Amino acid sequence: GDSVTQMEGPVTLSEEAFLTINCTYTATGYPSLFWYVQYPGEGLQLLLKATKADDKGSNKGFEATYRKETTSFHLEKGSVQVSDSAVYFCALGGAQGGSEKLVFGKGTKLTVNP
Amino acid sequence: GAVVSQHPSRVICKSGTSVKIECRSLDFQATTMFWYRQFPKQSLMLMATSNEGSKATYEQGVEKDKFLINHASLTLSTLTVTSAHPEDSSFYICSASSGNTGELFFGEGSRLTVL
Repeated sequence: GDSVTQMEGPVTLSEEAFLTINCTYTATGYPSLFWYVQYPGEGLQLLLKATKADDKGSNKGFEATYRKETTSFHLEKGSVQVSDSAVYFCALGGAQGGSEKLVFGKGTKLTVNP
Repeated sequence: GAVVSQHPSRVICKSGTSVKIECRSLDFQATTMFWYRQFPKQSLMLMATSNEGSKATYEQGVEKDKFLINHASLTLSTLTVTSAHPEDSSFYICSASSGNTGELFFGEGSRLTVL
């Protein structure tokens, strides 16, 4: 069945460092791909998404490109801030990019130190 | 943005008792809500999909008599863990779909500890 493999954490970086969190997937058909972020004490929030191959999702300085050839959707940010400390989840969904059932990775905890 | 609220955020109960967790969409009507379970250092596992006014659809391996889901209105879904046992201790998360955009909005989660 469909699955998502996400880089294991925790990840600890200094402020302004470059961030990469790897995510690869296994799926039939043409799924949509998502990154969700969970700040301490809050629910998951959609960070960005891509619905087809070669699409790039971006938000708040984060980017991820849907790579069909490598079945990957790695999350990147050029310069992290302390406020980016959170748990990041990669997820796979249906072709419409909407409210279909999502398959999540295990989450990667990021801590950014000043 | 849209808000989904869960209550209680933490609950401790004795083995054999039942616990109800509420999931509310505060500023939109949710035709579909999802319930997940998350074990430590594990991904969110979808337990069931609930649609307003109809029976929930459970994922394979999830006991429907153990985890009762009710979606009686467009803003409220409840998950009741019946006759709870220590192995039911977990983090339960709900999400709700906005009919307008189809985007999923998540609650803060509810941590259940069964003694």
